[in-house]
Amino acid sequence: GENVEQHPSTLSVQEGDSAVIKCTYSDSASNYFPWYKQELGKRPQLIIDIRSNVGEKKDQRIAVTLNKTAKHFSLHITETQPEDSAVYFCAASKGNDMRFGAGTRLTVKP
Amino acid sequence: SQTIHQWPATLVQPVGSPLSLECTVEGTSNPNLYWYRQAAGRGLQLLFYSVGIGQISSEVPQNLSASRPQDRQFILSSKKLLLSDSGFYLCAWSSWVYGYTFGSGTRLTVV
Repeated sequence: GENVEQHPSTLSVQEGDSAVIKCTYSDSASNYFPWYKQELGKRPQLIIDIRSNVGEKKDQRIAVTLNKTAKHFSLHITETQPEDSAVYFCAASKGNDMRFGAGTRLTVKP
Repeated sequence: SQTIHQWPATLVQPVGSPLSLECTVEGTSNPNLYWYRQAAGRGLQLLFYSVGIGQISSEVPQNLSASRPQDRQFILSSKKLLLSDSGFYLCAWSSWVYGYTFGSGTRLTVV
């Protein structure tokens, strides 16, 4: 089955700096790659996603890139703010099966 | 609009007791439904998914089971809880258009 690896497990940045989280996946048939933000004790919320026919997608300060050949995708957050502090999960999906990375705890220091 | 309801929000159960967590979806028909578990400080593990009434796929061997008695209802059960069953349980539904949407979660503590 699909295996998703996510790095780093923790990331601390200064407010205003950029943050990058990277994920790799194993199943070349995966075609949907969402990113979720989870605040403490709450449900994961979709923040951005990308499908396999697209290489890059941007939404304000958040961008995701996908390299299908290398089977890796990344989340980029620019101009980080303290409210960006949370756990971020990447996921890879094909059909009915979605697998998550282990998560990255992002801390943005004011 | 589509909404997903999950209850209860928190639950404390003794070891060996039964479990029933319920999830319902509104505003869509024939959704794909999922149960995930998140252990403390860890990622999301897929437990079960269902593509239709009575159709359940299990991802990991365990003492949990799932049922889908109605199109928009998904139930997670156990006959006898273990300490290791403690965690944050999330129901989710998916569609091609909307991707995955999670319920608010149930924090289960087995004591």
